[in-house]
Amino acid sequence: GAVVSQHPSWVICKSGTSVKIECRSLDFQATTMFWYRQFPKQSLMLMATSNEGSKATYEQGVEKDKFLINHASLTLSTLTVTSAHPEDSSFYICSAKDTVNTGELFFGEGSRLTVL
Amino acid sequence: QQQVKQSPQSLIVQKGGISIINCAYENTAFDYFPWYQQFPGKGPALLIAIRPDVSEKKEGRFTISFNKSAKQFSLHIMDSQPGDSATYFCAASRGAGNKLTFGGGTRVLVKP
Repeated sequence: GAVVSQHPSWVICKSGTSVKIECRSLDFQATTMFWYRQFPKQSLMLMATSNEGSKATYEQGVEKDKFLINHASLTLSTLTVTSAHPEDSSFYICSAKDTVNTGELFFGEGSRLTVL
Repeated sequence: QQQVKQSPQSLIVQKGGISIINCAYENTAFDYFPWYQQFPGKGPALLIAIRPDVSEKKEGRFTISFNKSAKQFSLHIMDSQPGDSATYFCAASRGAGNKLTFGGGTRVLVKP
């Protein structure tokens, strides 16, 4: 099946620093990617829709200046958590839509962010 | 507003038994209903999905039942195995490949 890679798989940072998480579609093109966050023992909550070559669409209540999304190519979207604080600690998961072939969604393995 | 409600929150079943998870949705614009399996520390993986034009879909030991009038759908895991122990999420979207609204999740434990 199609593969979506996230990097890093886990990261620890100090409060006040910024962290970038990458989401890559390895064997298909994805003009649309989605970013979710998941707190322990909770469901996935959609943060934003990332569109290649245009601005991301954020869900209500998600701070766009806090969570910067860049979808610069057909295979890469990045999520930057700016000025991270302990409450930003979470599991961040991306999914990518195989735009050209099947239209299916494929999820990455997630990135665990811990802010000290 | 929780658009997709999932129950139960947790479930314990003996090996060989049947696991049943139920979901209800509110938005009638949803027309794609997938189920995902998630292991700890991993991303969700698609198990099976259904569209409202069919009432049931089976793939191996996994079956989705869909009731359009009641706006409900369920996942049945037949002959449950310890390796099925995971968290299961139902979801819904307007068209396949579009943004998903997830249910709250069900943690399934299959005892040997």
